[in-house]
Amino acid sequence: EAGVAQSPRYKIIEKRQSVAFWCNPISGHATLYWYQQILGQGPKLLIQFQNNGVVDDSQLPKDRFSAERLKGVDSTLKIQPAKLEDSAVYLCASSLAGQGGPPLHFGNGTRLTVT
Amino acid sequence: AQSVAQPEDQVNVAEGNPLTVKCTYSVSGNPYLFWYVQYPNRGLQFLLKYITGDNLVKGSYGFEAEFNKSQTSFHLKKPSALVSDSALYFCAVREVHGSSNTGKLIFGQGTTLQVKP
Repeated sequence: EAGVAQSPRYKIIEKRQSVAFWCNPISGHATLYWYQQILGQGPKLLIQFQNNGVVDDSQLPKDRFSAERLKGVDSTLKIQPAKLEDSAVYLCASSLAGQGGPPLHFGNGTRLTVT
Repeated sequence: AQSVAQPEDQVNVAEGNPLTVKCTYSVSGNPYLFWYVQYPNRGLQFLLKYITGDNLVKGSYGFEAEFNKSQTSFHLKKPSALVSDSALYFCAVREVHGSSNTGKLIFGQGTTLQVKP
């Protein structure tokens, strides 16, 4: 099966600029996740979708970050305006719906550098 | 709140020797526990999981992990390490809420495994 696709792979922007990341999950996966991985740390969940509804966005900095999952398939994550501390790898993952245990399948991530 | 701790930033082993990467967790309910591996410039890959049943679970690439409820641990093990096992390993826990899978998956800080020839 095709994996989780993310683009772009790398992005360099200046602070206060805006940026958007795109994710295409594995076909049939109802649940989609965006994680932020800062260098030297574990991934931190930003937002979790079940189909096109938000399940958890408690750690999403809503004053600058937004995400949507139109039609319950592809998703975009946007940052506007970016700050230096947003430099990180943004990982998209998807999983089947199911009781607790379906593993997450991750994309290769987008490495964002804010200068 | 649920949490995961990986007490070692790095583990060094010689090829052919057994390896252990430690993980402890904290949840208020029943845990679902996972191990993932990350190679440079790649996303995380699923290795194995514990949901219920046998405390020793087997996963990909010869890895296994032992669930210990009394010690709230889920250590990753392999009987004989390979140089190609060198990577970053993450333990993760999901707190179970009823029959759904909507509980947040929380990752540890990661442990770098270095296997030397």
